[in-house]
Amino acid sequence: EAEVAQSPRYKITEKSQAVAFWCDPISGHATLYWYRQILGQGPELLVQFQDESVVDDSQLPKDRFSAERLKGVDSTLKIQPAELGDSAMYLCASSLGVHEQYFGPGTRLTVT
Amino acid sequence: SQQGEEDPQALSIQEGENATMNCSYKTSINNLQWYRQNSGRGLVHLILIRSNEREKHSGRLRVTLDTSKKSSSLLITASRAADTASYFCATDADSWGKLQFGAGTQVVVTP
Repeated sequence: EAEVAQSPRYKITEKSQAVAFWCDPISGHATLYWYRQILGQGPELLVQFQDESVVDDSQLPKDRFSAERLKGVDSTLKIQPAELGDSAMYLCASSLGVHEQYFGPGTRLTVT
Repeated sequence: SQQGEEDPQALSIQEGENATMNCSYKTSINNLQWYRQNSGRGLVHLILIRSNEREKHSGRLRVTLDTSKKSSSLLITASRAADTASYFCATDADSWGKLQFGAGTQVVVTP
């Protein structure tokens, strides 16, 4: 069964350092999402791509976060510089149009 | 900001019992979805109910939707230890399929 791949699974970084996460969606899924999930809360959408275009990044802290999906397939989310408050689970999901979303296993980020 | 609010925040039951959790939301929706998340893992889609539907079943899951009250419920019948997880409702209210999640209900099923 096709799955969304994410790497790394765990990342520990010091504040002010740069960190990057990678996501490979299910083949053929045009829509890709990056979420941040703080412990004890539901996921919050950071950015949504339709193919290579951003359709929603209203909740992305653009002073430090960036996301790209250059060829409309895999995607990278970057944080520079990382802050203590960025510690969270970062989840990637993909979907076929406007339907249920398929989530990857997530990247657990700890900023020290 | 999170549109959905789940109730209760936590639920502890024994195997074989039914588990019911509720979700309330604030704006008109296209559909409402329920997801399950095991500890430290990604979310798994359970069921999608459209705004013109009132009830939907999938295996041991039953979902209802009342758009006049802006609320939904998820019932898990004959629960099993493997149902231990957090359950989230998510509303789809725009044309791009953006989901807004609630804070979730943490369900513990003891053998």
